[in-house]
Amino acid sequence: GEDVEQSLFLSVREGDSSVINCTYTDSSSTYLYWYKQEPGAGLQLLTYIFSNMDMKQDQRLTVLLNKKDKHLSLRIADTQTGDSAIYFCAERVSYKLSFGAGTTVTVRA
Amino acid sequence: EPEVTQTPSHQVTQMGQEVILRCVPISNHLYFYWYRQILGQKVEFLVSFYNNEISEKSEIFDDQFSVERPDGSNFTLKIRSTKLEDSAMYFCASSSIQGITDTQYFGPGTRLTVL
Repeated sequence: GEDVEQSLFLSVREGDSSVINCTYTDSSSTYLYWYKQEPGAGLQLLTYIFSNMDMKQDQRLTVLLNKKDKHLSLRIADTQTGDSAIYFCAERVSYKLSFGAGTTVTVRA
Repeated sequence: EPEVTQTPSHQVTQMGQEVILRCVPISNHLYFYWYRQILGQKVEFLVSFYNNEISEKSEIFDDQFSVERPDGSNFTLKIRSTKLEDSAMYFCASSSIQGITDTQYFGPGTRLTVL
């Protein structure tokens, strides 16, 4: 079955890099995703990576995938106050997404 | 930019009442989903829907739940007789194709409170 785990909280200083980690269990995952949720808002797709890739970069975002260890990370460079949100890791298996519990990122001045 | 919309943003109901949550998916999308998030818990898959049929459902999606695409734009989730434990944020999502390359886009959610 699918199980996705993430650390719950991350506090980072403005301008530093943030790294959010995620582990998943289902080796048949095809795509892995990062979604962002701001207070009162829905789930905004940030980026995704195909399971046969090991890295993807998109502006300030870098996704690293270690398929052997089933470990996914999201690095946000030059973290800004607008990056404060909950970040969800999700794996896609069959039709559905299985989500982690979300990492609450707090950016302090 | 096209987006998924959901109404209402907040619904309060009494236990045992029926509720219908509404979603307007992105217009050229063909695959539709419902997820829910109980406060403090993970976002959980409920159901996926394509070509007027359920394509997959979770064990949460029991006989109390149903989905419908009543016209060309709306996608609804009905809970027949709500229970206290149905209180959650319900998210609708849609995608354009359902294969390994599709991406699900989510609406802002409907917060359902059952009293």
